[in-house]
Amino acid sequence: DTGVSQNPRHKITKRGQNVTFRCDPISEHNRLYWYRQTLGQGPEFLTYFQNEAQLEKSRLLSDRFSAERPKGSFSTLEIQRTEQGDSAMYLCASSPEDRAKFGNTIYFGEGSWLTVV
Amino acid sequence: GQNIDQPTEMTATEGAIVQINCTYQTSGFNGLFWYQQHAGEAPTFLSYNVLDGLEEKGRFSSFLSRSKGYSYLLLKELQMKDSASYLCAITGGFKTIFGAGTRLFVKA
Repeated sequence: DTGVSQNPRHKITKRGQNVTFRCDPISEHNRLYWYRQTLGQGPEFLTYFQNEAQLEKSRLLSDRFSAERPKGSFSTLEIQRTEQGDSAMYLCASSPEDRAKFGNTIYFGEGSWLTVV
Repeated sequence: GQNIDQPTEMTATEGAIVQINCTYQTSGFNGLFWYQQHAGEAPTFLSYNVLDGLEEKGRFSSFLSRSKGYSYLLLKELQMKDSASYLCAITGGFKTIFGAGTRLFVKA
């Protein structure tokens, strides 16, 4: 079990550029989540996948944000035309199917820090 | 909608006991989590409560009262490494919603 893996860990980009983050969940987990966290706040839910299906998107996820999980394994989160307000840590998490046993516990990756200058 | 309230900051002394409270309002509830997050790192799972009562795990215990929409995390024998943010989170269905976290400072 290698845990949830995210890359890049840090990204500095100029305003207006596009960025993409990748997440590799724990291998037996079919549920994958993206959260965003800013300083002094808890993680904010962005979107959720069950296998390859994106089942919910937060209102926080503007049309500049898109997430995919094409084969039900890894996922990407793309931010187009970045703005300074997008600066945050983007957290990926995964959880297993067996809610009865694991209570939908989610396990986070190390996060991808985005700084928009 | 969902709302989670927890104190912003707390300070305690090494070796002492501290209780971090969390109150919540939600339309759907499956369980309550506590996560620990050190500065600059990702949250790590501490505990999960689905039924009323106390769950104990080493130095950490978590309590839940569903009728009151209330939980607390109890940390015993505080150590300096316990200085971190503690996040209360509720889950309804597949989505887990987090509070803003309580920053705990442990002093010598």
